[in-house]
Amino acid sequence: NAGVTQTPKFQVLKTGQSMTLQCAQDMNHEYMSWYRQDPGMGLRLIHYSVGAGITDQGEVPNGYNVSRSTTEDFPLRLLSAAPSQTSVYFCASSPLGGSGYGYTFGSGTRLTVV
Amino acid sequence: GQQLNQSPQSMFIQEGEDVSMNCTSSSIFNTWLWYKQDPGEGPVLLIALYKAGELTSNGRLTAQFGITRKDSFLNISASIPSDVGIYFCAAPSGTYKYIFGTGTRLKVLA
Repeated sequence: NAGVTQTPKFQVLKTGQSMTLQCAQDMNHEYMSWYRQDPGMGLRLIHYSVGAGITDQGEVPNGYNVSRSTTEDFPLRLLSAAPSQTSVYFCASSPLGGSGYGYTFGSGTRLTVV
Repeated sequence: GQQLNQSPQSMFIQEGEDVSMNCTSSSIFNTWLWYKQDPGEGPVLLIALYKAGELTSNGRLTAQFGITRKDSFLNISASIPSDVGIYFCAAPSGTYKYIFGTGTRLKVLA
């Protein structure tokens, strides 16, 4: 039972480069989301999705794009990387049906933009 | 906007000691969650609380849903080295969405 799988685990980008962070889950969860974790800031929501074809912005969406073509996958795209996007990125999923289930998180992608 | 404040920010404790941490907000919530993040990993759900005043245990961990619904507490008894990590509280910020506290970093000295 893989849960939530994120790739790559580490990435270094140059300013202005683009890349896609991959996230896949095998639990048939409708809800998927991306968070970034920065020292002293906790986890901040970037984008989320409640099902295939449905996405919405979170707290810090600028500079990131998402799409949800299948239930399983929710990639995060950085269009033109900036040093301010240096962070640890987590993908999380949960079933719908109320606010009490909590999330299952992936193990994270550590991104450095130089 | 809604914000969750965790204290302490970090703590060093001796193995075998009990640990207490809390999470407070100016907003009222109907659910409180506690997560633990091991170094290099994603957060893992420890305990979920659904009712004001509720006290729930998971092994050596005990969490409480504050009666004002604006706070929650996590206690760890008889700490061991594998308790090291960051502990996050979380509460719903809308349908399906959660906000997270800034975390309490725990370091256990053997």
